[in-house]
Amino acid sequence: EVQLVESGGVVVQPGGSLRLSCAASGFTFDDYTMHWVRQAPGKGLEWVSFITWDGGATYYADSVKGRFTISRDNSKNSLYLQMNSLRAEDTALYFCAKEGYIALSGSGRDSYYYYMDVWGKGTTVTVSS
Amino acid sequence: DIQMTQSPSSLSASVGDRVTITCRASQTINNYLNWYQQKPGKAPKLLIYTASSLQSGVPSRFSGSGSGTDFTLTISSLQPEDFATYYCQQSYNLLSITFGQGTRLEIK
Repeated sequence: EVQLVESGGVVVQPGGSLRLSCAASGFTFDDYTMHWVRQAPGKGLEWVSFITWDGGATYYADSVKGRFTISRDNSKNSLYLQMNSLRAEDTALYFCAKEGYIALSGSGRDSYYYYMDVWGKGTTVTVSS
Repeated sequence: DIQMTQSPSSLSASVGDRVTITCRASQTINNYLNWYQQKPGKAPKLLIYTASSLQSGVPSRFSGSGSGTDFTLTISSLQPEDFATYYCQQSYNLLSITFGQGTRLEIK
């Protein structure tokens, strides 16, 4: 069974740090780009960050750039999110998600389409004094 | 960033109804559009990718259409388990992925 299980969410004070983990199983972890997506209480989904299969490239939402660092350990089938300088607005349920893709041919070339096809149940981070 | 705007923000409907949710992008995204369903306290679930391709295991009453800036998600005959919140998401700009604000589908 393909599965993602997040952990590490706790209550932390503003300005504090935290590391979230996501354990993957049931698929070849090091074949896929992985994402973090968060959801503040009662709000919609916000993409946070992604990391390519080999960790060679990472990207962040402007709201977390310079404060959060995504990483992975393919030998442990694990994804991480190091969160520093936490703010109240970082309070959210944090999901990890596996990226899927499909290549479609057209006009003499392939186009690649990406989506998030497997999600964990999430881990809750609360930033409060 | 590409802004994704869904309408309506909430919708009341009855079992058996045909329902359509729209999603508009602030610039053309071709068909780089995905739809997700989220039930309270649960993770999002992929329904549709490339604007109109049904994810494996998703019932055929769900369908998607559109290209460019305007997209729709249609549920042909609502079932009790379909009451949830639906999100569109653009994958045209992968370096800044954005979701719509969500459409909450409630039982009338």
